[in-house]
Amino acid sequence: DQQVKQNSPSLSVQEGRISILNCDYTNSMFDYFLWYKKYPAEGPTFLISISSIKDKNEDGRFTVFLNKSAKHLSLHIVPSQPGDSAVYFCAASDGGANNLFFGTGTRLTVIP
Amino acid sequence: NAGVMQNPRHLVRRRGQEARLRCSPMKGHSHVYWYRQLPEEGLKFMVYLQKENIIDESGMPKERFSAEFPKEGPSILRIQQVVRGDSAAYFCASSPPGTGESYEQYFGPGTRLTVT
Repeated sequence: DQQVKQNSPSLSVQEGRISILNCDYTNSMFDYFLWYKKYPAEGPTFLISISSIKDKNEDGRFTVFLNKSAKHLSLHIVPSQPGDSAVYFCAASDGGANNLFFGTGTRLTVIP
Repeated sequence: NAGVMQNPRHLVRRRGQEARLRCSPMKGHSHVYWYRQLPEEGLKFMVYLQKENIIDESGMPKERFSAEFPKEGPSILRIQQVVRGDSAAYFCASSPPGTGESYEQYFGPGTRLTVT
């Protein structure tokens, strides 16, 4: 039962343009959402997070948007850079548990 | 400031052997989590431990898998009598003590287990 879904396995974007990665979830108890970036042969690296009491969180080139009614969040990267090429995982947590539920990832390729 | 350490990075075992995966959390972190990633899938939670306590093992297979986080030393994920289906990347993560808004978990580089 996949509670966090990333329906796009891959995305290609030109350098300098915006990258938009999407994530949907089914569990209404989730109250904290995170994005991780993963390079091959490395562990996931925390990128940005958002609490369910907010609808937007920004950190430099990265912005996460949360639409609770639609159970949808997205990660915007602007401008995209070749070094952003990686697999991006969306993850969610509910306050009562400590484990994270991960999506299956989206492979982003930024074309120079 | 060392991050989460995992060893070995690669482990090859024959069917029926035992696999031991080790994880040292970040300094100051007392919470350890183990996740498994099968090919083309996301990470799946296995177990959450604090020092000398298993807090949540709801993601652990009922047989052959066990985990510990002793008072001294690294956390160990142990897989007995490995089968080919255990081949995966196993990631450890840690987080600092206490609760609050921050649920960030910091991941190690993973151990890639191959069962032949």
